[in-house]
Amino acid sequence: GESVGLHLPTLSVQEGDNSIINCAYSNSASDYFIWYKQESGKGPQFIIDIRSNMDKRQGQRVTVLLNKTVKHLSLQIAATQPGDSAVYFCAENQAGTALIFGKGTTLSVSS
Amino acid sequence: DAGVIQSPRHEVTEMGQEVTLRCKPISGHNSLFWYRQTMMRGLELLIYFNNNVPIDDSGMPEDRFSAKMPNASFSTLKIQPSEPRDSAVYFCASSPQAVTYGYTFGSGTRLTVV
Repeated sequence: GESVGLHLPTLSVQEGDNSIINCAYSNSASDYFIWYKQESGKGPQFIIDIRSNMDKRQGQRVTVLLNKTVKHLSLQIAATQPGDSAVYFCAENQAGTALIFGKGTTLSVSS
Repeated sequence: DAGVIQSPRHEVTEMGQEVTLRCKPISGHNSLFWYRQTMMRGLELLIYFNNNVPIDDSGMPEDRFSAKMPNASFSTLKIQPSEPRDSAVYFCASSPQAVTYGYTFGSGTRLTVV
């Protein structure tokens, strides 16, 4: 069936480094993608989204890249901080369906 | 805005008991979602409502699970009878529209069935 997945379950970086979290999706009909951040004991928090008519979108310290050819999504975090330590999920959907989430990548930032 | 409000935050119950989880979506949001999170299966969609009407309940595990949305400001997820394998964190989320907008999640209800 269709699924959204992540390449690596964990990622460890040093404070100040740039982080890249990857996600592969299988549903070529998906037209909307989101990255969420989940801290321990809290619900997922919206970070940034992108629609299928775009290939890049930037926010504050974060950039999402979408490659529809290979069905790949990535989240780049610039100058990673200890407060960025969390589990990151990508999610996708197409019109008429609810978001489907991947299993998440745990980002650990050491100072 | 108080965000999506879920209650209780924690629930411990004995196997066989009825459990009711509650959710108040953000005012003005007309779509509401229930997700379940476990280590093994991640975040799974259970059911979602649009304008108080259930649209997709294909994720509801079995007949022991039921969800209602009697009005735009309240939804419940009921498990009867509960089983140990139902132990998980249950999240409610709401959105301005059914799709193509980010969802706002509540803080979740951690359910433990012993």
